[in-house]
Amino acid sequence: DTGVSQDPRHKITKRGQNVTFRCDPISEHNRLYWYRQTLGQGPEFLTYFQNEAQLEKSRLLSDRFSAERPKGSFSTLEIQRTEQGDSAMYLCARGDRNTGELFFGEGSRLTVL
Amino acid sequence: GQNIDQPTEMTATEGAIVQINCTYQTSGFNGLFWYQQHAGEAPTFLSYNVLDGLEEKGRFSSFLSRSKGYSYLLLKELQMKDSASYLCAVRILGGDSNYQLIWGAGTKLIIKP
Repeated sequence: DTGVSQDPRHKITKRGQNVTFRCDPISEHNRLYWYRQTLGQGPEFLTYFQNEAQLEKSRLLSDRFSAERPKGSFSTLEIQRTEQGDSAMYLCARGDRNTGELFFGEGSRLTVL
Repeated sequence: GQNIDQPTEMTATEGAIVQINCTYQTSGFNGLFWYQQHAGEAPTFLSYNVLDGLEEKGRFSSFLSRSKGYSYLLLKELQMKDSASYLCAVRILGGDSNYQLIWGAGTKLIIKP
């Protein structure tokens, strides 16, 4: 158990629809990351929160993507007007403040038809 | 630019030893991680090296040479359950003074009986 749960685990949607993913880390880790991963590739950084503040956002993240972390606890990642290229595994991770080790949730797999 | 190279795929026999190499060229260095990822699952932490040398943890060992920009993951007494992708990731300090992880594409390890 990595202390990170994600929901939903799988989402199939039609192109143009909006989707939202949720990540719940255990409360004492204040760093939260979102990554995207496609088959045969390593995780690709999307964005990073320290408590409720979004400190960094990848330039690869288009304006269709938005992430929030109200109250510094759970986080949501919303994708608006989904495209087929958005099909991927979306991973949430909490970060150890000392070592930088990431503890990943089980991921949310998105399929855009 | 940032670059991490790993072999795409390797095959080994159950009970044998395998070494997975990782070379990196990054702007700065603040530690190297190895993660294991089974198909359809999230990455799980294996090892962390920040100083040169060998770190041993059970059947798995990881080696780092910072001067050569090189690391390897050594897996001994291979078991069928070791069939997975192995991801190398380098931590750097970003321009905004936040740590970033640069990920390799992963090495798919296939274990044969």
